[in-house]
Amino acid sequence: KAGVTQTPRYLIKTRGQQVTLSCSPISGHRSVSWYQQTPGQGLQFLFEYFSETQRNKGNFPGRFSGRQFSNSRSEMNVSTLELGDSALYLCASSLSEPAYEQYFGPGTRLTVT
Amino acid sequence: AQSVTQLGSHVSVSEGALVLLRCNYSSSVPPYLFWYVQYPNQGLQLLLKYTSAATLVKGINGFEAEFKKSETSFHLTKPSAHMSDAAEYFCAVTLSGGYQKVTFGIGTKLQVIP
Repeated sequence: KAGVTQTPRYLIKTRGQQVTLSCSPISGHRSVSWYQQTPGQGLQFLFEYFSETQRNKGNFPGRFSGRQFSNSRSEMNVSTLELGDSALYLCASSLSEPAYEQYFGPGTRLTVT
Repeated sequence: AQSVTQLGSHVSVSEGALVLLRCNYSSSVPPYLFWYVQYPNQGLQLLLKYTSAATLVKGINGFEAEFKKSETSFHLTKPSAHMSDAAEYFCAVTLSGGYQKVTFGIGTKLQVIP
C-alpha cells in the first residue's frame, strides 16, 4: 500500500506570494491533518479534514486555508506569504480519527525569501 | 485543553546505554498518548501509543513507555541504544472519546555516541 505523498517536496517563494501544497493520503484513509514544523516549535496543528469537512482548526491566521476533495486528497493554501511561514509542512492521514494513528508524509519544505 | 512537555530538547547517550526521553502531559480527561520518531528528511513514524489499556506499552525497535497517571508522565525508554536510534522523538497527546486534534511536544533530538 502506498504511503502518504506530498507535493512538491521543496518550494521557494517570495514574500507576498501565495502557495498551494498537496497531500494524497493512504488509500482508504478519510482523515487528513496538516502541521507546521519549525525548529524549537515542534509541530503546530493547522487543521484536520474528514469527508471534505474541516473538523478541527488550530490557531493560525486566516491566510492559512485548506480543503479536501471527494477522493480524500487535500490541499492547503497560504496567501500573502511572510518570512515566518518558512517551515516544513507535514500532512498526516488516518482511517477516521487522528487519535488512533497517523501516517505522515515526508513533508513540503517551504522557504520564503 | 491538552498539552505535553518534553524535558530536554537534546539528549546524548553512549551506544549500548539506556535511553530515557521524558514526557509529561496535561489533560482534563483520560488521554491517549503517543511517541513518534522522525529521521532526517522524513515524516514522523509512530513508535507506540497508549489508549487506556495496559499502562506499559511496547513499541517498535525495542522502545517502550509507561503511563503513570499519578505523575502525569509517559517517558520513553530503551535498554540499549543503537546508532540507528539517532533521530528526533516527539511525544503527543489527544483526548479520548471523540474527534480531537493531536497536540505534539517540541521534540527531543537523540544523539548516540559510539
